[in-house]
Amino acid sequence: SQTIHQWPATLVQPVGSPLSLECTVEGTSNPNLYWYRQAAGRGLQLLFYSVGIGQISSEVPQNLSASRPQDRQFILSSKKLLLSDSGFYLCGAGEADTQYFGPGTRLTVL
Amino acid sequence: SQKIEQNSEALNIQEGKTATLTCNYTNYSPAYLQWYRQDPGRGPVFLLLIRENEKEKRKERLKVTFDTTLKQSLFHITASQPADSATYLCALGSGDDYKLSFGAGTTVTVRA
Repeated sequence: SQTIHQWPATLVQPVGSPLSLECTVEGTSNPNLYWYRQAAGRGLQLLFYSVGIGQISSEVPQNLSASRPQDRQFILSSKKLLLSDSGFYLCGAGEADTQYFGPGTRLTVL
Repeated sequence: SQKIEQNSEALNIQEGKTATLTCNYTNYSPAYLQWYRQDPGRGPVFLLLIRENEKEKRKERLKVTFDTTLKQSLFHITASQPADSATYLCALGSGDDYKLSFGAGTTVTVRA
């Protein structure tokens, strides 16, 4: 089975600061990778997904971007954070019809 | 636009009873539907998948039904235990790209 690592676990950043969240996957090759954001009491909102190295699809226009420099590495970035970027960020890896999730990063933008 | 609705924000039940959760969807023709469990501050954990041509799936104390005519899935937890307390999310997939659309979830609290 696969394991998904995310860091950091929590992050407090000022408005206008940059962001870099990292996700790495173990136990599988060439997975589909996903970044989701979850607001309190809400479902998961798909932000980006990737079917291979360098292939990124954006689902929601925003000031965030994603990159996949290696097969099992997925990075979520921002040049300037907004208050509305606060939330719980989850990295997912798809295998057949099932997705596995990392432990998440709680981001608070002040 | 696609819409996925899960019943009531919270469900409180007595230990030993059956919890029934509902997932309704509109403007969607999913190839499959999944249920996940999410504990506070943690990522979702996959529980069950049911495909469009299946009516019912079981796994231990869990049962899922899928009615594509009603555009509804029911998720049952039988003989519920306090350890079943969590938020349960339904997710729909089209099958082509493994992208999932999630409902907001239903929080279940099982009282001892």
